[in-house]
Amino acid sequence: DQQVKQNSPSLSVQEGRISILNCDYTNSMFDYFLWYKKYPAEGPTFLISISSIKDKNEDGRFTVFLNKSAKHLSLHIVPSQPGDSAVYFCAASADTGKLIFGQGTTLQVKP
Amino acid sequence: EAGVTQFPSHSVIEKGQTVTLRCDPISGHDNLYWYRRVMGKEIKFLLHFVKESKQDESGMPNNRFLAERTGGTYSTLKVQPAELEDSGVYFCASSQYQWDRANYGYTFGSGTRLTVV
Repeated sequence: DQQVKQNSPSLSVQEGRISILNCDYTNSMFDYFLWYKKYPAEGPTFLISISSIKDKNEDGRFTVFLNKSAKHLSLHIVPSQPGDSAVYFCAASADTGKLIFGQGTTLQVKP
Repeated sequence: EAGVTQFPSHSVIEKGQTVTLRCDPISGHDNLYWYRRVMGKEIKFLLHFVKESKQDESGMPNNRFLAERTGGTYSTLKVQPAELEDSGVYFCASSQYQWDRANYGYTFGSGTRLTVV
């Protein structure tokens, strides 16, 4: 039973436009949600996180939105740059060290 | 500051053989995690060490997998005997505090790509 789902395997956007990556979860006990970015042959790199008591967190071009009632979160990247092309993983945790990851979404930003 | 180091980066072994993966966490990080990504799917938790103790090993697939962290420094993950379905990328991550997940996430290594043929 997959508790964190990223239903879009891939996304392609034009440079300068907005990228929106989505993530759904089922466990209402999750207290933190994180986004990781992964380049080929590298490990995941932490991007941004949000607490379950907030609905928005912003860091430069990256903003994460959390809708607890819908058990949905999204990552917005504005403006998108070619260097943002990578696999993006949504992850969640429930007051433990364990992270539950989604399947990942491959983002391609075209110049 | 050196990052999380994993060795080897790649390993190809035959079914039934034994393989040992190693992870060197960031110095001073008490928390060490093992994860695995199979066939381009989600990254799955395997286990969590706090110093030399296993805090959570609920993700270990079966008793063919043995993880150790002697002295609370580096960790090894042994697969014996290896099966075809064990193929995947094994990631190690570390953090100083468990609650680092809130603001900093964990620092991951580049992974070991294991192929069982």
